Order: sequence, then C-alpha cells, then structure tokens
Amino acid sequence: KNEVEQSPQNLTAQEGEFITINCSYSVGISALHWLQQHPGGGIVSLFMLSSGKKKHGRLIATINIQEKHSSLHITASHPRDSAVYICAVRSGANSKLTFGKGITLSVRP
Amino acid sequence: DAGVTQSPTHLIKTRGQQVTLRCSPISGHKSVSWYQQVLGQGPQFIFQYYEKEERGRGNFPDRFSARQFPNYSSELNVNALLLGDSALYLCASSLGQTSNYGYTFGSGTRLTVV
Repeated sequence: KNEVEQSPQNLTAQEGEFITINCSYSVGISALHWLQQHPGGGIVSLFMLSSGKKKHGRLIATINIQEKHSSLHITASHPRDSAVYICAVRSGANSKLTFGKGITLSVRP
Repeated sequence: DAGVTQSPTHLIKTRGQQVTLRCSPISGHKSVSWYQQVLGQGPQFIFQYYEKEERGRGNFPDRFSARQFPNYSSELNVNALLLGDSALYLCASSLGQTSNYGYTFGSGTRLTVV
C-alpha cells in the first residue's frame, strides 16, 4: 500500500463546476503539500499545510490530521485548471517528500 | 528573480553512458533535492543536499550520485545508464532543511535512454 493515496485517479469536469480532489496518507506527517504539474513537467507548489485550511484565489486546501486526510477544492473551475494535481507529505525531521501518483484533471469549456 | 533552473531540458543517451544534470536553486536557498518521475507515476526522492552535505538519500542504486557546490547549485550524475532510467528528473530548492520551508521546483530535465 502506498503511503500517499489520491482519489479519484482521473477527473473530468465542466467549466464552472466545484471540484474536490482527495489525499489520504498512512504516516505521521510534519507537512502536506499540494502541487500542480502541467504537460511538459514543471511543478508549481500550491499549498503547504500542517493544520487547518488555506485559501488562495479559487483554490482551497484543508487537512484533517486525526483522519490523515486532505482535500483540494477548486471553485468555479476553468479549462486552464486542467493539470495533474499531486499530494506530497513530509514526515517528521525527514526532509524528503513522499508523493502520491497524482490526479489528472480535465476541465471542459 | 530567477526560479529554479535546470539544464539541459531534454537529453537522449545510450545505454551504458553517463549523464550529468544540473540545478541552480533560487538565490538564498541552501537546500536542493532531486526527484525522479517516471511516466504515469509521482516523483520519487533521490537525494537531498543542504549546506553542501548529503542529508538524505532515497532507494536508488550507487550509479546515482550527486553533489552541491559552494554556490548551492547541484549536479546529479547517473552512471551506466539503463533503459529504466528514462524519466523526468526534477530539482527542488528550499531555504532550509526542515519542514518549516516550502519547495520551489524546476521544470525538470527529461532524460531518454535508448
């Protein structure tokens, strides 16, 4: 079993829809990252969370430490949101990130 | 201010050859990490360097090595290339080593081994 699981694996939405991407992890963590990867490979860091909730524009990230679960919400989705969304965790003093496989999101106009 | 820069962007090598990938972190960032991402998978941790010392190593064979220079740039070397080494190699820089700091990723080097 992977340490970081993401669901759903692939997601297609219509422009304007509210989207939720989930991430579950099995280890104790010091931080959780949500990342966005576009075709071509470059990764953009969206959020770093250790508790609670963060909001940036149309993106909201939440984390429940007790349930070992995080969600990334996209409000009023747009075709430019189409990308791979990756959840990654960092455990304790360990400096490495452990990544989920990522979810491919396609937003249709 | 420039982001994390990686070179080259694309590379084709033959099995058995050696390759060197380069990463320049954001100015002021002292930590550099390397990740390998094969097609359809999430990135896998290879190395982390902080203040020019290796601070973490993933489950990769000794064919993989890295170093960090006094200006905090880094090189990843892979010897005796195998077809399975074909992947996107990502570099991420951070101000420090602990989880208090976020990461900035480069655009990656896409290595194809034929």
